[in-house]
Amino acid sequence: DTGVSQDPRHKITKRGQNVTFRCDPISEHNRLYWYRQTLGQGPEFLTYFQNEAQLEKSRLLSDRFSAERPKGSFSTLEIQRTEQGDSAMYLCASSFGQENTEAFFGQGTRLTVV
Amino acid sequence: AQSVAQPEDQVNVAEGNPLTVKCTYSVSGNPYLFWYVQYPNRGLQFLLKYITGDNLVKGSYGFEAEFNKSQTSFHLKKPSALVSDSALYFCAVRDPRTGGFKTIFGAGTRLFVKA
Repeated sequence: DTGVSQDPRHKITKRGQNVTFRCDPISEHNRLYWYRQTLGQGPEFLTYFQNEAQLEKSRLLSDRFSAERPKGSFSTLEIQRTEQGDSAMYLCASSFGQENTEAFFGQGTRLTVV
Repeated sequence: AQSVAQPEDQVNVAEGNPLTVKCTYSVSGNPYLFWYVQYPNRGLQFLLKYITGDNLVKGSYGFEAEFNKSQTSFHLKKPSALVSDSALYFCAVRDPRTGGFKTIFGAGTRLFVKA
């Protein structure tokens, strides 16, 4: 069990560019979550997948954000036309089982938009 | 709407003393409650959870938490703090009535344990 892995760990991009992050969940976990965390705040829910189906999206997820989990395994989060306000830590987590099970988090991708 | 409040930005405690990190929530009904810890350059790690049953739940590293439905609180406690407990702690809530797996986190409390 290698845990949840995220790539890249750090990304610096110019405003207006597109970026894509990858998350590999724990292999047997069927649920995958994306969160965003800014300095001094707790993680904010962005979206959630059960297998390959995206079941819930936060209103925080503007049209510039899109997430996929094409085969129910890894997931990607793309941000188009990045803005300085997108600078944050993007966290991925996964879980398996009922609604009362805890999630396992990756170390995150830190995005800096300059 | 669901919400979680951690009223203290920072808690300072001397090593060997008991510690409490406070959490209150706003969810109707019977929520699922979680505590996570975040060490520098590491992902959030699960500490413990309350689902149902005994109001006192025990978790990793000697931590425990007490669920109080009347006060809508879920305070994290440890009888004897260690310097290595210094980290950022997050309380989180999930409302099973709304379905789904959306979890709402508090803003976090930084625990500083002095030797």
